[in-house]
Amino acid sequence: QKEVEQNSGPLSVPEGAIASLNCTYSDRGSQSFFWYRQYSGKSPELIMFIYSNGDKEDGRFTAQLNKASQYVSLLIRDSQPSDSATYLCAAYGAQKLVFGQGTRLTINP
Amino acid sequence: DTAVSQTPKYLVTQMGNDKSIKCEQNLGHDTMYWYKQDSKKFLKIMFSYNNKELIINETVPNRFSPKSPDKAHLNLHINSLELGDSAVYFCASSPLGGGGAGQPQHFGDGTRLSIL
Repeated sequence: QKEVEQNSGPLSVPEGAIASLNCTYSDRGSQSFFWYRQYSGKSPELIMFIYSNGDKEDGRFTAQLNKASQYVSLLIRDSQPSDSATYLCAAYGAQKLVFGQGTRLTINP
Repeated sequence: DTAVSQTPKYLVTQMGNDKSIKCEQNLGHDTMYWYKQDSKKFLKIMFSYNNKELIINETVPNRFSPKSPDKAHLNLHINSLELGDSAVYFCASSPLGGGGAGQPQHFGDGTRLSIL
């Protein structure tokens, strides 16, 4: 069983709509969770992190964490073509980040 | 100023050769990491160092040897390169305990290693 699982996509969303990205994790000891965005040929860049149950908002992005269900999500409101990228979910525990395989998101103009 | 810098950006070499990748961070972070991203974009940790001390070694073949001369530098030396070593290698850094309490890891631009 993979430690952090994401739907690899591709996920296609029309411009201006809400993109919803999901992630589940297996280690209940995971302490905090990160969303990174990676454009093709580039390095991962941090979008948000969350470590408390509930929602955390930052501009057009909202991260949601449900520790009981071992579930993390990222919502992107008013999606823009520039949001097209691979989104990596990561869980931190035992001094290391464990990444999911990433979800490829395409925003269609 | 680049926060986490890696050299070289591209590395093309023959099977069996030995090569090194260098990483430097100017963020004042205590912890540095090496990750491998394969062709399926799966990003996996290889090593982490806290203040020059090895913390994590994720069952990486001993052909891979990290070296941290000081807390701002973490180099990766690879002996006897194999075809399966072809990947993008990312260096990252974070404050001590990066990931805990939301302390993010910052990534370098990556080194694309191609084995012929």
